[in-house]
Amino acid sequence: KQEVTQIPAALSVPEGENLVLNCSFTDSAIYNLQWFRQDPGKGLTSLLLIQSSQREQTSGRLNASLDKSSGRSTLYIAASQPGDSATYLCAGFRYGQNFVFGPGTRLSVLP
Amino acid sequence: DAGVTQSPTHLIKTRGQQVTLRCSPKSGHDTVSWYQQALGQGPQFIFQYYEEEERQRGNFPDRFSGHQFPNYSSELNVNALLLGDSALYLCASSLIGGTFSYNEQFFGPGTRLTVL
Repeated sequence: KQEVTQIPAALSVPEGENLVLNCSFTDSAIYNLQWFRQDPGKGLTSLLLIQSSQREQTSGRLNASLDKSSGRSTLYIAASQPGDSATYLCAGFRYGQNFVFGPGTRLSVLP
Repeated sequence: DAGVTQSPTHLIKTRGQQVTLRCSPKSGHDTVSWYQQALGQGPQFIFQYYEEEERQRGNFPDRFSGHQFPNYSSELNVNALLLGDSALYLCASSLIGGTFSYNEQFFGPGTRLTVL
């Protein structure tokens, strides 16, 4: 059974810092890994999708990497801003199975 | 281009009642998945619909059922509501087509269900 964990559970940083969020999964046969952002009480906004044949994806200040051999994905946020404050979730998908989400990392960026 | 839409936004029901939630997928998408998200947790997969059939199902009881219409929109029905069914219900759409490759999922804003 696929399990996804995220470390840390919560993170508070001053504005301007670069930060790293970690996602670990137990199934190395994972096919896709997707990172999402969720604001309180809202739906999920897709940030980055890393497909099986890829190792990383970049969008603006965000960079996500995927290492299937070690069962880890990392989301890097450069020059953090107060508007980045949200919960960040990763979700892994294995072909023929459904998406499994981690519990999320709650990020607070202080001005 | 409209994204994924869900209705209603909020809903309050009492134990034992039945509820129907609705979802319209992103234009061009053919697959709808439903998730339940309890407070402070990640979303839990309920089921997925493709070509008007339930394609996959998570670990949820038969009280949870669904339907997909020819226009790809979908409904989630929950019978005999329990207090523990209180959660944010999220709908996600994606494009699978005939290849069964799993492309990017796009989520709606969710329906907040409160069971009293």
